[in-house]
Amino acid sequence: LAKTTQPISMDSYEGQEVNITCSHNNIATNDYITWYQQFPSQGPRFIIQGYKTKVTNEVASLFIPADRKSSTLSLPRVSLSDTAVYYCLVGDSGNTGKLIFGQGTTLQVKP
Amino acid sequence: NAGVTQTPKFQVLKTGQSMTLQCAQDMNHEYMSWYRQDPGMGLRLIHYSVGAGITDQGEVPNGYNVSRSTTEDFPLRLLSAAPSQTSVYFCASRRDQETQYFGPGTRLLVL
Repeated sequence: LAKTTQPISMDSYEGQEVNITCSHNNIATNDYITWYQQFPSQGPRFIIQGYKTKVTNEVASLFIPADRKSSTLSLPRVSLSDTAVYYCLVGDSGNTGKLIFGQGTTLQVKP
Repeated sequence: NAGVTQTPKFQVLKTGQSMTLQCAQDMNHEYMSWYRQDPGMGLRLIHYSVGAGITDQGEVPNGYNVSRSTTEDFPLRLLSAAPSQTSVYFCASRRDQETQYFGPGTRLLVL
């Protein structure tokens, strides 16, 4: 079962770019990497998903090196409303539907 | 599409009582999961299902039962509630490697 490791917390200031790295050494060949955002008292919300190289959408970019043992979520020009917990997930190696959350990274954006 | 719906939104139980948390999705997703989130903690997988009639245990299955008689519904049963089961419960669904969608959560307080 692929496990993920992320920093427990990060601080940033408004307008800065934030990069959160996730380690997933046991990722399987057919696993995707997905990042979620969670605000207090809400369910997690999808941010971005990728398999390899780089993926970009309207809110973030995801960088995945060739060995796929890590990934980096990049949030450009963060604002106070980006203060949240960010989770990195990879699919279960047998694609059995079992998705395990790691401890997540609490991002605090300061004015 | 209503997405993933959960009922009730909030429930208070006495120790030893039983209850069922309801979860439904209208996106025809094969995979459904139940997570619990304790205050200040990450999400932990309770049970999951890869299709109607198929369920399996997650990280913390003790004290909970599930069934999946239809694609749409995935109820979670607490057999004999304990104060340690006080938590927020999230149901989620997805189609294979695609995005996982979360419900709004059920806040459970066991006295």
